Amino acid sequence: SQQGEEDPQALSIQEGENATMNCSYKTSINNLQWYRQNSGRGLVHLILIRSNEREKHSGRLRVTLDTSKKSSSLLITASRAADTASYFCATDVGSQGNLIFGKGTKLSVKP
Amino acid sequence: DTEVTQTPKHLVMGMTNKKSLKCEQHMGHRAMYWYKQKAKKPPELMFVYSYEKLSINESVPSRFSPECPNSSLLNLHLHALQPEDSALYLCASSPIGLSGNTIYFGEGSWLTVV
Repeated sequence: SQQGEEDPQALSIQEGENATMNCSYKTSINNLQWYRQNSGRGLVHLILIRSNEREKHSGRLRVTLDTSKKSSSLLITASRAADTASYFCATDVGSQGNLIFGKGTKLSVKP
Repeated sequence: DTEVTQTPKHLVMGMTNKKSLKCEQHMGHRAMYWYKQKAKKPPELMFVYSYEKLSINESVPSRFSPECPNSSLLNLHLHALQPEDSALYLCASSPIGLSGNTIYFGEGSWLTVV
């Protein structure tokens, strides 16, 4: 079953611009994680935000979480061509840490 | 060292073959996962092992048979697969199988069923 919906499905920007991706989910969560996936490769963990947190930063990444709106956003500042990838939000709703992934946003950063 | 190693990277098998996908981690993690990802779709959970015991089976067909021989290894045995089973199979691990743990993924095994 699918929990998260990312918006937009695809995003194309120029190097140096900021990229914002949004994720909405349906049920209460324990935490929300963001992952990056380069084409045909495995998933790389970016950041985890707990349900009692509102904002988290990691390098050029900023994640926000609004549990009242059941939504999260991922901001990548000063984007680089190497940021080109698909980005997924994943919600942790059970007790065993298993994740339910959203559809993903395909980001293309043009040099 | 946050590494989950999957072999083989690519596998082509016939519908009558028996093959296995292997996954290994040496991070001391006690939870391991199999996810399946079809092209242009998000990963979907198949199985969860916690302390070498199967704790979640997401109604996966019996032609997929997981095995956890020890805390570092996870196998997925494949038999009598269908062409629609062609996908990227991702193995993952986390320190313990509890909510709030970061889950680390391998690079995946690309499976093509012919």
